[in-house]
This record gives sequence, C-alpha cells and structure tokens, in this order.
Amino acid sequence: EDQVTQSPEALRLQEGESSSLNCSYTVSGLRGLFWYRQDPGKGPEFLFTLYSAGEEKEKERLKATLTKKESFLHITAPKPEDSATYLCAVQAGANNLFFGTGTRLTVIP
Amino acid sequence: ETGVTQTPRHLVMGMTNKKSLKCEQHLGHNAMYWYKQSAKKPLELMFVYSLEERVENNSVPSRFSPECPNSSHLFLHLHTLQPEDSALYLCASSQREMIGDTQYFGPGTRLTVL
Repeated sequence: EDQVTQSPEALRLQEGESSSLNCSYTVSGLRGLFWYRQDPGKGPEFLFTLYSAGEEKEKERLKATLTKKESFLHITAPKPEDSATYLCAVQAGANNLFFGTGTRLTVIP
Repeated sequence: ETGVTQTPRHLVMGMTNKKSLKCEQHLGHNAMYWYKQSAKKPLELMFVYSLEERVENNSVPSRFSPECPNSSHLFLHLHTLQPEDSALYLCASSQREMIGDTQYFGPGTRLTVL
C-alpha cells in the first residue's frame, strides 16, 4: 500500500537550534517528492521538488535531501518565522499524489 | 488579485443546503485541483482538471460536483453534505497538466456542515 509518513508530528526548537524533519515513503514508481510549507489559515506553499535518490536542494535555511526510502528537510539555525507545518508529498505513477500529515514546527525566540 | 483566490473563506451549511465554492487562478495555468484537508489527516486529492476537462476523480462521493467553465475558474458544488465533510477545501493550479508539476494553492474555504 502506498504510504507517506512524516515525523515527528510536532517539533519545538529554540531559535538557532538546527534539526531535521523526516518523510518516509513506501510507494511504487516514485516520480517526485515535494515539500510544502503551510502557515495557519493559508494554503500550502511550494518549497522543493526532488526526483532521484542523492538529490539535494537548498533555499535559505532549508535543505531537502532524498534517499530511496525517505527525505529529510534540514533546518539550519531556524528563526521564529520558520514556524509552520511542513508537508511532504510523493507522486507515484502519473496521477497519484500522496501527502503526509505534516510536521508542525515551532521555533521559540 | 494575484495567485489563487478562493471564496468564500468560511462557510457554514446545513445538511440539506446547496452551496458552491469558487476558485480563481490568475497565473495563466492549465490545470486546477480540488483538495480536502481534515484535521490530523493527509491532504486528499479530490479532482483534477486539465484544460477544463476532468482527468481524475479519486472516488469522491457524488454529493461533491466539480465544474470548470474555463482554465481560470473552478467550482465545487455541494449538496446534501454530511458532518464528516467538514474540512478545509483547498484549490490549487499548475502550469502543466501534470499532477507532479509545482502546484500553487489558494487559502482554502473552511467548511462546517451542521
């Protein structure tokens, strides 16, 4: 069964305390893995797309990596404005897109 | 207006009511999507439209009826809903008619069914 699991469910960090969010998946025929950020009361905002194991992408304090079974979103020296829910989604086949339940990140000043 | 807009932002309806959600994208994209987001559950893809034609319907109950009159507008018509249909309904669009293309989301409509 195709499945996407994100951990932890919630994460509290002190400002400047680096950490990683995990997205593990079991899907057949991975076509792409997506990271989104969602702020309260808003729709998800696209961050990254990864297509193959070993690929990495960076944007400001965020870095996404991909292996054959999971992806990590590394947050370096986070700031309070990084507080949000981070969603992972996996495309399996042409028309299947599976989302995880997200990691709710809180960065404390 | 820029990006993807949705109206109304909040909606409360009874189980016997009929209402519609509206989505408009100002990005010149060719594909549009409806998602359902419930608390503690993953985002669920409901419908996919490409160039105004429905290309995907993920076993959504018939009480949800989508309409895409042109590539900029998408509607979700609701009738005889159930309380478990209460959720955040998100609209998204993408440039290409591929589900894996980067999707841009609207702010959502928070629906409560009494």
